[in-house]
Amino acid sequence: QQQVKQSPQSLIVQKGGISIINCAYENTAFDYFPWYQQFPGKGPALLIAIRPDVSEKKEGRFTISFNKSAKQFSLHIMDSQPGDSATYFCAASTGGGNKLTFGTGTQLKVEL
Amino acid sequence: DTAVSQTPKYLVTQMGNDKSIKCEQNLGHDTMYWYKQDSKKFLKIMFSYNNKELIINETVPNRFSPKSPDKAHLNLHINSLELGDSAVYFCASSQGGISGGRETQYFGPGTRLLVL
Repeated sequence: QQQVKQSPQSLIVQKGGISIINCAYENTAFDYFPWYQQFPGKGPALLIAIRPDVSEKKEGRFTISFNKSAKQFSLHIMDSQPGDSATYFCAASTGGGNKLTFGTGTQLKVEL
Repeated sequence: DTAVSQTPKYLVTQMGNDKSIKCEQNLGHDTMYWYKQDSKKFLKIMFSYNNKELIINETVPNRFSPKSPDKAHLNLHINSLELGDSAVYFCASSQGGISGGRETQYFGPGTRLLVL
């Protein structure tokens, strides 16, 4: 049972473009929504996270948009760079945030 | 200095063998985790310990046994390895406890296990 659905599975964006990755969740008890970035051969690393009391959070070129009623959230990468090429995972958790449920991942490639 | 370290980085073994993966964190965190990432890159939590106490135990075969000698270490022992155990295993740690906040989880570099 996949509680967090992520799309697309892969994404190719031109340098300078906007990368958009979407996630949808089912469990309304989820109250913490982080995005993790994973480079080949490395462990995932937290990129940005949001709580459901706000609809948007921005950190540099990375923005999370959150729609509580639709149970959806998305990651926007502005001015995408080749160095952003990685796999991105959305995740969700309840309560203490210890148990993260991950989406299936999106492999992003930013081309010159 | 590496925050979360794992050994070994690679592990190639035969079916039926028993193997262990070690994890150490020097972040002073109270909570540690084991995740499995399969060939499709799907990440799934297996176990979590808080101050040496098991707090999360997902549906994992009992051939997998975590052990936490202290809060800075969480090891994973796997008995009777099967082909399906081939995956990348990640250790992670966070500051949060059982009822902790929305704490960042810091992942190790992973251990790539291949069962032949």
